[in-house]
Amino acid sequence: EPEVTQTPSHQVTQMGQEVILRCVPISNHLYFYWYRQILGQKVEFLVSFYNNEISEKSEIFDDQFSVERPDGSNFTLKIRSTKLEDSAMYFCASSEAVGQAGYTFGSGTRLTVV
Amino acid sequence: GESVGLHLPTLSVQEGDNSIINCAYSNSASDYFIWYKQESGKGPQFIIDIRSNMDKRQGQRVTVLLNKTVKHLSLQIAATQPGDSAVYFCAETGSGGSYIPTFGRGTSLIVHP
Repeated sequence: EPEVTQTPSHQVTQMGQEVILRCVPISNHLYFYWYRQILGQKVEFLVSFYNNEISEKSEIFDDQFSVERPDGSNFTLKIRSTKLEDSAMYFCASSEAVGQAGYTFGSGTRLTVV
Repeated sequence: GESVGLHLPTLSVQEGDNSIINCAYSNSASDYFIWYKQESGKGPQFIIDIRSNMDKRQGQRVTVLLNKTVKHLSLQIAATQPGDSAVYFCAETGSGGSYIPTFGRGTSLIVHP
C-alpha cells in the first residue's frame, strides 16, 4: 500500500535554529498538507499546497514557516527560527484530489525544541 | 467560533463489545465528515466518511451516523478488538468552500481483553 514517508522521525533542535522537515508524498497525489499535533491535543492544519503554490494556510502558519517542493518527490516544511512552542508532532499528508477522504498521513516527525 | 468537539475524552470497553464514539459539530455549513484513527506514534488513518446528504454509512465493522438536526456524528465499532485501541478523531470540512479537514479533540478508546 502506498505510504507517505517522513524524515526524520525525531528531530531535536536548539531554540532559534532552523529546521527542515521532509516528506515524500504518494507519487500520484497532487495535494500536499502539513499538520501539527501538540502532545495530547488535536491535529491542527498548517498549510496545503497544490500546483507548486500554497492553496490554504492557517493562522498558525506565520512568516516563520515555509513550504517547498524542491523536486518531483519531496515536500518540505521549514521553520526558520524555532521556538519552544513549536515542539509538536508534524504530520505530512497527501491526497489525489481535494474534497475527498483520500488523505494519507505520514507517521510524523516529532520536533523537540530545547 | 465554530468548532468540532467530542463528548467523551476516554472510552473503555471490553473486547467483543460494541463501541460508540460521539462527536458534536457546530458548523452547520459543513457537508463532509471523516473519522480518523490514530494509533500511538502514528499519523491519523482514515476510517470512514459521510456526506451531509446521507445519515448513515457502513464499512467493515464500522458505521457512521450523521444527525444534521442536532449536529451530531457518531462512530460505531462492532465487536471491538484490542487492535481498535487508539484515539479517534472526527473531522469536518466543506464549509466556506474549504475542504481542509478540521479535527476535533479526539477520544481515546481503550479495549480490555
